[in-house]
Amino acid sequence: QKEVEQDPGPLSVPEGAIVSLNCTYSNSAFQYFMWYRQYSRKGPELLMYTYSSGNKEDGRFTAQVDKSSKYISLFIRDSQPSDSATYLCAMYGGATNKLIFGTGTLLAVQP
Amino acid sequence: KAGVTQTPRYLIKTRGQQVTLSCSPISGHRSVSWYQQTPGQGLQFLFEYFSETQRNKGNFPGRFSGRQFSNSRSEMNVSTLELGDSALYLCASSLGSRDGYTFGSGTRLTVV
Repeated sequence: QKEVEQDPGPLSVPEGAIVSLNCTYSNSAFQYFMWYRQYSRKGPELLMYTYSSGNKEDGRFTAQVDKSSKYISLFIRDSQPSDSATYLCAMYGGATNKLIFGTGTLLAVQP
Repeated sequence: KAGVTQTPRYLIKTRGQQVTLSCSPISGHRSVSWYQQTPGQGLQFLFEYFSETQRNKGNFPGRFSGRQFSNSRSEMNVSTLELGDSALYLCASSLGSRDGYTFGSGTRLTVV
């Protein structure tokens, strides 16, 4: 079983829709949670960074962490075609600084 | 503010050769990590350096090695290249162990 599980998609939504992206994890030591966006042939770009449980909002993006369920989410409101990319969750904690990634979800926002 | 710079962007090598990739982190960032990204395995952690010391290592063979210099710049070396080493190699830098990581655009290595 992988430490971090993420549905690879692809996920196709119409412009303006609310997008929900999710990851589950098994290592209870994880404390730092991140969401990255990666466009084709580019490096991952940090979108959201949260520590422990709770919500964090930044513009159209909201990150949620539920440590009791070992479940994290990223919500994108009013999705735009420019949001079409692969979204990767990542996390680390405990004795190691190894950032563990999910496999990524490919999102396509249709105009 | 300059981002993480990786050179070269593209590289083609033949089996058995060795290769060195370079990463210049964001100014002031002391932590540099390397990742391998392939369609089948996704992003896999190679190693992390902090103040010239390797702090963590992933599950890769000894052919993969790295180092960090006093100015925080880092290099990654792969010896005796195999076809399976073809991948996007990404470098990420961070201020410290509890900060987000900023990635470079990567070096796309093709082994033929």
